[in-house]
Amino acid sequence: ILNVEQSPQSLHVQEGDSTNFTCSFPSSNFYALHWYRWETAKSPEALFVMTLNGDEKKKGRISATLNTKEGYSYLYIKGSQPEDSATYLCAFSTGTASKLTFGTGTRLQVTL
Amino acid sequence: EPEVTQTPSHQVTQMGQEVILRCVPISNHLYFYWYRQILGQKVEFLVSFYNNEISEKSEIFDDQFSVERPDGSNFTLKIRSTKLEDSAMYFCASSVGLSPGVEGAFFGQGTRLTVV
Repeated sequence: ILNVEQSPQSLHVQEGDSTNFTCSFPSSNFYALHWYRWETAKSPEALFVMTLNGDEKKKGRISATLNTKEGYSYLYIKGSQPEDSATYLCAFSTGTASKLTFGTGTRLQVTL
Repeated sequence: EPEVTQTPSHQVTQMGQEVILRCVPISNHLYFYWYRQILGQKVEFLVSFYNNEISEKSEIFDDQFSVERPDGSNFTLKIRSTKLEDSAMYFCASSVGLSPGVEGAFFGQGTRLTVV
């Protein structure tokens, strides 16, 4: 059974704070690690898909790193804004078009 | 920007009734999926569909569930006789699948199914 864990479950930060979340996943049969941003009443939005050990990806103020040998990924948000408030999901896949196995998500709330 | 669309956004049904959840995947995508999230739990995989047949399904996807691609654009999930525990947010997703790059899956907004 593949188990993907995320921490913390929820996080409340002030505008301008930088923050990071963790996703841990099985290191065997690894193909890709996906990060999604999910706002209430909207579609989960793909942020990053990473496949190689040591991968680092960046999109504006959000970046992610990947360690496939030890089975973890970090998502960083620099200078959090209220519009960053969302649930951040990570998911693990074992093939190009295989199913995604999701973590529980980290719920981020950014206040002024 | 192309997107996955799902209808309806909310569905309330009586226990034992059949429901059909509808999805229009992104047009050039080849793989289609259904996931669901019961309130407070993880998003969980139900089924994947490729080349007009199921390619993988989870233990949740029992005989009460079926999927169909009745025409070139729609992808449906049918639950034959709904139970209270089927209440969840159901997500449709699609992916190119055969791309040498890794795009991941694109998700719809979900259908909130409430069984009463």
